Amino acid sequence: SQTIHQWPATLVQPVGSPLSLECTVEGTSNPNLYWYRQAAGRGLQLLFYSVGIGQISSEVPQNLSASRPQDRQFILSSKKLLLSDSGFYLCAWAGEAGELFFGEGSRLTVL
Amino acid sequence: SQQGEEDPQALSIQEGENATMNCSYKTSINNLQWYRQNSGRGLVHLILIRSNEREKHSGRLRVTLDTSKKSSSLLITASRAADTASYFCAFRGGTGRRALTFGSGTRLQVQP
Repeated sequence: SQTIHQWPATLVQPVGSPLSLECTVEGTSNPNLYWYRQAAGRGLQLLFYSVGIGQISSEVPQNLSASRPQDRQFILSSKKLLLSDSGFYLCAWAGEAGELFFGEGSRLTVL
Repeated sequence: SQQGEEDPQALSIQEGENATMNCSYKTSINNLQWYRQNSGRGLVHLILIRSNEREKHSGRLRVTLDTSKKSSSLLITASRAADTASYFCAFRGGTGRRALTFGSGTRLQVQP
């Protein structure tokens, strides 16, 4: 069966520090992968999606970037975090019908 | 904006009552989906309804879709305390957009 893992689960970082959030999927090949961000008590904002290795589409201009070095690995990065980058980051892969399967999320607090 | 809007933003009911959440959207869609999120957790897919369907059932869940009004509703019957969560609608536009757009969510509290 397919599983999706995100880490770290919780992260507290100072402003200006770098960021790396990792997401891996098991049990499926060539999945469409997504990074969403959720502010407290709000809906989800799409950040990036990828349809294959090295293929990244960005939805929102920001100081975040994404990479897909392997088929089942999706990484969210930043060189210098801002306070506004705080939030709950969710990785997901798409099933055949277009439904999304989410990881458990990474909660980032920037101080 | 392609964002979906949901109402109510928050809903508090007693166990055994029905809960109805509504979603409105602005674009044409291929399908509409509903997700559940427990506090601090990832989202879980509940049900998908295609644009040519008007109603769909899954256990205690009933989803309706009215494409002429660009709206959908999720009904949870005979609610339980364990149904306490946030519920989101999500849709994929008909323009080849590959990603889902999510609504603002409804926070449901079921009192035991």
